[in-house]
Amino acid sequence: NAGVMQNPRHLVRRRGQEARLRCSPMKGHSHVYWYRQLPEEGLKFMVYLQKENIIDESGMPKERFSAEFPKEGPSILRIQQVVRGDSAAYFCASSTGGSNGYTFGSGTRLTVV
Amino acid sequence: GIQVEQSPPDLILQEGANSTLRCNFSDSVNNLQWFHQNPWGQLINLFYIPSGTKQNGRLSATTVATERYSLLYISSSQTTDSGVYFCAVGPRSNTGKLIFGQGTTLQVKP
Repeated sequence: NAGVMQNPRHLVRRRGQEARLRCSPMKGHSHVYWYRQLPEEGLKFMVYLQKENIIDESGMPKERFSAEFPKEGPSILRIQQVVRGDSAAYFCASSTGGSNGYTFGSGTRLTVV
Repeated sequence: GIQVEQSPPDLILQEGANSTLRCNFSDSVNNLQWFHQNPWGQLINLFYIPSGTKQNGRLSATTVATERYSLLYISSSQTTDSGVYFCAVGPRSNTGKLIFGQGTTLQVKP
């Protein structure tokens, strides 16, 4: 069981480019959560997805950010036209349902230059 | 929304010492978890503990849901315990998301 896999581990983008972050949940987990961690801060919830459905996107910025979890393949967090303030660590977690059994991936550290 | 406060914000210990970390939350929850973020940034789930007491080796946790707080005990601390400890709660409106506290940064010196 490989756990929650996130890639890339590190991503550098210039201002205005697009960033795509991938998350493959643990085997048997159909619930995926994305969190953002700014430097020296705790994690902030962004979005909760199940296969092909967005369940809760209350933490997603209104513009430039989107997430999907297709029937096949990993969950994708997409940030369009990145700005310096998007620089952060983005963590994905998966579970079998609810909040029990949360398992986090190792995160993607996005740097916008 | 629900507020999660952790204390102390920073803690420095000598190896072998014991410590208690506290998490207060402002509303009823149906989920509470403790995580350890190591110096390499990895998040490790320590306890799922919406109520009661659990122990795992040198670590134990207690949540008193009626008084809205949880405690994480670390005994005989080791340098590998260093990192940030986060408390996270799931609101009763639960959609599965967790609300994180700001964390306690622990440094264990040899």
